Amino acid sequence: QQPVQSPQAVILREGEDAVINCSSSKALYSVHWYRQKHGEAPVFLMILLKGGEQKGHDKISASFNEKKQQSSLYLTASQLSYSGTYFCGTEGDNFNKFYFGSGTKLNVKP
Amino acid sequence: NAGVTQTPKFQVLKTGQSMTLQCAQDMNHEYMSWYRQDPGMGLRLIHYSVGAGITDQGEVPNGYNVSRSTTEDFPLRLLSAAPSQTSVYFCASSYSGQGSGANVLTFGAGSRLTVL
Repeated sequence: QQPVQSPQAVILREGEDAVINCSSSKALYSVHWYRQKHGEAPVFLMILLKGGEQKGHDKISASFNEKKQQSSLYLTASQLSYSGTYFCGTEGDNFNKFYFGSGTKLNVKP
Repeated sequence: NAGVTQTPKFQVLKTGQSMTLQCAQDMNHEYMSWYRQDPGMGLRLIHYSVGAGITDQGEVPNGYNVSRSTTEDFPLRLLSAAPSQTSVYFCASSYSGQGSGANVLTFGAGSRLTVL
């Protein structure tokens, strides 16, 4: 029941934009996005609870298409501090089980 | 307010040895969980608990045991360590496990385990 993320890795220059996608084979009730810096714990970025909802956090925003069972994370005018691995997470059929995608490694270069 | 505290940070074991990874949270969270992280595989759920005395299996429970005697603590036991259990282990908690998708997970700093 793991969601599927794409791409696996992205290399950007500062100021460029990126999109990370997350899709599921089952109906989604919520999607979380987390970021993990190298050697650190994952840190919560945002949660989307309603279909079609978009949320923003600084220049990072996300959309959630409940019908397509997909979510996308948008990183605009990327900064060096955006580097890290991004994970989406979704509930399983059992709402107490929470699954993460395999991650997208983002490398922002000067 | 320490959040989620994991110990030890690093551990090296020999095959067949047993050990316990400790996890404690001081946020009065009902929901606690253990994940393992391996390269290219993301975070995989091992076990979780929705409250004291209640535990259940995740995706990859084999070789691990858990118990939840208090709200604060959720230790993970490796019964007989194998090289395949070499990984980074994260404990995470949230306010409630009911409809867990609505509840943000707070992670501990992780425990890096090597099994020789």
